[in-house]
Amino acid sequence: EDQVTQSPEALRLQEGESSSLNCSYTVSGLRGLFWYRQDPGKGPEFLFTLYSAGEEKEKERLKATLTKKESFLHITAPKPEDSATYLCAVQAGGGSNYKLTFGKGTLLTVNP
Amino acid sequence: GAVVSQHPSWVICKSGTSVKIECRSLDFQATTMFWYRQFPKQSLMLMATSNEGSKATYEQGVEKDKFLINHASLTLSTLTVTSAHPEDSSFYICSATQRGAGYQPQHFGDGTRLSIL
Repeated sequence: EDQVTQSPEALRLQEGESSSLNCSYTVSGLRGLFWYRQDPGKGPEFLFTLYSAGEEKEKERLKATLTKKESFLHITAPKPEDSATYLCAVQAGGGSNYKLTFGKGTLLTVNP
Repeated sequence: GAVVSQHPSWVICKSGTSVKIECRSLDFQATTMFWYRQFPKQSLMLMATSNEGSKATYEQGVEKDKFLINHASLTLSTLTVTSAHPEDSSFYICSATQRGAGYQPQHFGDGTRLSIL
């Protein structure tokens, strides 16, 4: 069974204080690992897809990296508007009908 | 691009009522749509996967007769919660994937908050 574990559950940062969120996974044949951002009362917003170990993607203050066992979402000099829940999800290969298995998310709060 | 619209965003109704939720892909053709349920401070739990023109595939433990899914076109899927009861109250979210779904991300609607009195 595919599993995704995110840590920490919650993270509180001061504006400008860089940090990283972790996503550990076990999956039978990784097709892709996805990062999403979810604001309260909204659906998840797509951020990145990573396909193979060693791959990195960047978008503004966010950078996602991938190894064979985990992914990190690095946040550089965060701003209050980066406050949200960040979700990690994996998509397995082999007839899974492209469904995603999500972690429980990391609630990030950035204080001004 | 890749916008998914979900309607309604909030619905309150009496126990025993059936409620229909629509999910539309506005600027792309969605061969596959997914329906999720999310409880407070929990992650998304997949309920079912629907492919255009075929029957939906339900996850274990999800009642097919309770949650009716129709994916009649490449831009529209509907979820009908039949004879809803208070325990069906939740946040329902749909997502859609473009053609060539194997390497495409799912794009999500903004969810429907369902409250059954």
